[in-house]
Amino acid sequence: AQSVTQPDIHITVSEGASLELRCNYSYGATPYLFWYVQSPGQGLQLLLKYFSGDTLVQGIKGFEAEFKRSQSSFNLRKPSVHWSDAAEYFCAVGGSNDYKLSFGAGTTVTVRA
Amino acid sequence: DGGITQSPKYLFRKEGQNVTLSCEQNLNHDAMYWYRQDPGQGLRLIYYSQIVNDFQKGDIAEGYSVSREKKESFPLTVTSAQKNPTAFYLCASTHTGFNSPLHFGNGTRLTVT
Repeated sequence: AQSVTQPDIHITVSEGASLELRCNYSYGATPYLFWYVQSPGQGLQLLLKYFSGDTLVQGIKGFEAEFKRSQSSFNLRKPSVHWSDAAEYFCAVGGSNDYKLSFGAGTTVTVRA
Repeated sequence: DGGITQSPKYLFRKEGQNVTLSCEQNLNHDAMYWYRQDPGQGLRLIYYSQIVNDFQKGDIAEGYSVSREKKESFPLTVTSAQKNPTAFYLCASTHTGFNSPLHFGNGTRLTVT
C-alpha cells in the first residue's frame, strides 16, 4: 500500500527566512511524487513534480524539492519565504500504472512579519 | 480558459437528504476524481473514473455514488447512507498515462445538519 507522511502539522516562519517541509513516502515501485499548495477555501495547485532524472526539481513560486530514494523522502524547500506563501502544503505519491494519488495530511505554513 | 468548475461553492442540506455535487471540466481530460478533505486528514479518494461509463471505488466510497455519462462531467451524489457527510469536496482531472498531474477545482463545502 502506498502512503505519505508529513511529520509537521504546522510550521511558523519569518518572512525572508528559509522554509523546509518534510515528506516521507511508502511505495512499492518507482514513485511519482508531487507537492501541491492550497489557499484557504480553494483547490490545490501543483508546485512541482518528480518522475525521474535529476533528483532536485524546481517548481513554481521559487520552490524546489529533493528526491532521496534511500530515505524515502521528498522534502520541499524555499530559500526566502514571502507572506503570500502562507498556505497548506500537501505531498502526494503515485505510480506510472496507478491513477490514484495518495496524499499526506498536509502542513500549514504561517508566515510572520 | 480551460479548467474545472465545481458548483455550488457552498451547499447546505438536512440530514437524510441526498445531494449531488457538480464537477465539469473543459480540459479534455480522460480521468476524473473525487476527493474528500477533512481537517488534519489530507485528501481521501472517494471515486475515480478513467473513461466514460466506467468508474472505480476509492478508499472511502461508502455512502457515495457517481456517474460518468459524458467525458467532461463527473457528478458526485452524497447519499443519506453517508454517516458524516459534512466536509470539503474536491474534484480533479488528468490525462491518463500519469505523466500529467492532477488539476483541481475550487471545491464544494457541504454542510449537513
